[in-house]
Amino acid sequence: KAGVTQTPRYLIKTRGQQVTLSCSPISGHRSVSWYQQTPGQGLQFLFEYFSETQRNKGNFPGRFSGRQFSNSRSEMNVSTLELGDSALYLCASSFLPYYEQYFGPGTRLTVT
Amino acid sequence: AQSVTQLGSHVSVSEGALVLLRCNYSSSVPPYLFWYVQYPNQGLQLLLKYTTGATLVKGINGFEAEFKKSETSFHLTKPSAHMSDAAEYFCAVGPSGTYKYIFGTGTRLKVLA
Repeated sequence: KAGVTQTPRYLIKTRGQQVTLSCSPISGHRSVSWYQQTPGQGLQFLFEYFSETQRNKGNFPGRFSGRQFSNSRSEMNVSTLELGDSALYLCASSFLPYYEQYFGPGTRLTVT
Repeated sequence: AQSVTQLGSHVSVSEGALVLLRCNYSSSVPPYLFWYVQYPNQGLQLLLKYTTGATLVKGINGFEAEFKKSETSFHLTKPSAHMSDAAEYFCAVGPSGTYKYIFGTGTRLKVLA
């Protein structure tokens, strides 16, 4: 069974631009969560989607948004990028929200 | 509210020595507990999980962890460290009710030859 895939793997953007990251969960998994990982803040929860509905949201500004499609694929969007948004963005999928999560390789975003 | 504390951001052990990575949690309800490992430039890989039942949980790569409710701990151990174990390890408490997954700050394991 294929694992969680994230595209793109690497991205360089300029301050003020916006970016969209994509995540395809493991086949059959309906829950997708997004995390931001930085050396200073560690792993921080962004949001979780289940059956196209956002179930949980972390403490991030409204510039961070996401959605989930009917095939469980998910996207997250960051608008008006700031230097501090440079991070590894990880997507995780699980069969159901209370099950163990499986992580993708991440998207490394660099904002210049 | 749930929380996770990993004691020691960096741990060094000699190859062949016991690995012990500490994790304490706080949860008002019976927790789901997990250990993940992250190798450089990769995502997190699930090592093992505790949900209910047996308190000693065996995972992949020879790792195991014991859930101790009285100590609110879920320490990760491996009897004999291998060079390939060098990575960052994260303890996490799983969602309950509306709570989300909470991850510890991670412990970077270094294995010395």
